[in-house]
Amino acid sequence: DIQMTQSPSSLSASVGDRLTITCRASQSIRTYLNWYQQKPGKAPKFLIYAVSSLQSGVPSRFSGSGSGTDFTLTISSLQPEDFATYYCQQSYSTPVTFGGGTKVEIK
Amino acid sequence: EVQLVESGGGLVQPGGSLRLSCAASGFTFRSYIMTWVRQAPGKGLEWISYITSSSSAKYYADSVKGRFTISRDDAKNSLYLQMNSLRAEDTAVYYCARDKSGDDRTLDFWGQGTLVTVSS
Repeated sequence: DIQMTQSPSSLSASVGDRLTITCRASQSIRTYLNWYQQKPGKAPKFLIYAVSSLQSGVPSRFSGSGSGTDFTLTISSLQPEDFATYYCQQSYSTPVTFGGGTKVEIK
Repeated sequence: EVQLVESGGGLVQPGGSLRLSCAASGFTFRSYIMTWVRQAPGKGLEWISYITSSSSAKYYADSVKGRFTISRDDAKNSLYLQMNSLRAEDTAVYYCARDKSGDDRTLDFWGQGTLVTVSS
């Protein structure tokens, strides 16, 4: 199975900050990398697919980059509604695997 | 509007069984791969199973293989998860999710989840 490792596991940030979350795969997954956002008590929300393609309706302050084994999710200017937990996920092979999550909290 | 609504969760004793359902609407259900993902309390997301359109193939995580069975009824726009021999470690919120068309294993819509608690 492909292991997905996110860092950091949590962070504190302020509204307006630029934020970067890293996700590393245990082997190359080419560009089969997706990102989800989850708020407490809610289902995950699909944000980005194929590394950098934004799902319809996702604000342009979200962006993704990377290929192979190293990927990043960037939020250019953090908004109050962005405080949540973010998960990366590889869709390269079965079983699908998720990173452990990065919790973004208000500083 | 795409909607996925899970039901069937609850409290069950270790070794017991439960059947989860997921009612789909707002899209052509029979054309989509469907997936179950779970989340233990305070933990991350764990993919557990998916089923292709027309049920031609089914896949399971090792943690549930041999105990859980995924199925679908395209006439009823419904997805199911039969869970047998339940263990305490199966306690989680169970989500059904739709695979994005053209991007297998990419989950573009999720239900709100149903909580399964395995405890005596």
